[in-house]
Amino acid sequence: DAGITQSPRHKVTETGTPVTLRCHQTENHRYMYWYRQDPGHGLRLIHYSYGVKDTDKGEVSDGYSVSRSKTEDFLLTLESATSSQTSVYFCAISIPGQGAKSSYEQYFGPGTRLTVT
Amino acid sequence: KNEVEQSPQNLTAQEGEFITINCSYSVGISALHWLQQHPGGGIVSLFMLSSGKKKHGRLIATINIQEKHSSLHITASHPRDSAVYICAVTKGSNYKLTFGKGTLLTVNP
Repeated sequence: DAGITQSPRHKVTETGTPVTLRCHQTENHRYMYWYRQDPGHGLRLIHYSYGVKDTDKGEVSDGYSVSRSKTEDFLLTLESATSSQTSVYFCAISIPGQGAKSSYEQYFGPGTRLTVT
Repeated sequence: KNEVEQSPQNLTAQEGEFITINCSYSVGISALHWLQQHPGGGIVSLFMLSSGKKKHGRLIATINIQEKHSSLHITASHPRDSAVYICAVTKGSNYKLTFGKGTLLTVNP
């Protein structure tokens, strides 16, 4: 357990409304990620952060924005939710592994199930 | 073509069988990860490999960097091993992952 929590765990919202998902970690790790998981597509990277106020896009970033104003929190915002954004969202952090300097292991939060109606 | 391909997509086994799940990738990587996800559950990291072989209990992971291929083996499989097994690779900077689509393993008693 790497001390990662996500909130809310479940949410149902209507098309066109803004939604913010929160990822919180307790151990001040530098790297944080948002992924979405969909049948037939698997897990895909939305956005990631490599430090406070340092973020970058992943492969499926359209319609999403992120913010990281402090180390422990990484927020994902759906600016105007669409039905195609119905998914399970996972936050993750990278923690240095044992051994080679370049090896970082990822730990995942419990996920948020979002339904856009 | 996906950068990370897994096979098979679905696998059904009887309790006690030896199981192999394969992962091939087409890019240069710094590490390969095997993850486990039980139905409706969270995602757990099983292994991170950059070379050779690792073993945890009944699980063994191997990687061949030259052939860009990794295998996950489960010895003496058990119904509690039923889960989706996901291969992922780290390439480039910032340690972000690129995932295969997963292998659904069902182990029947």
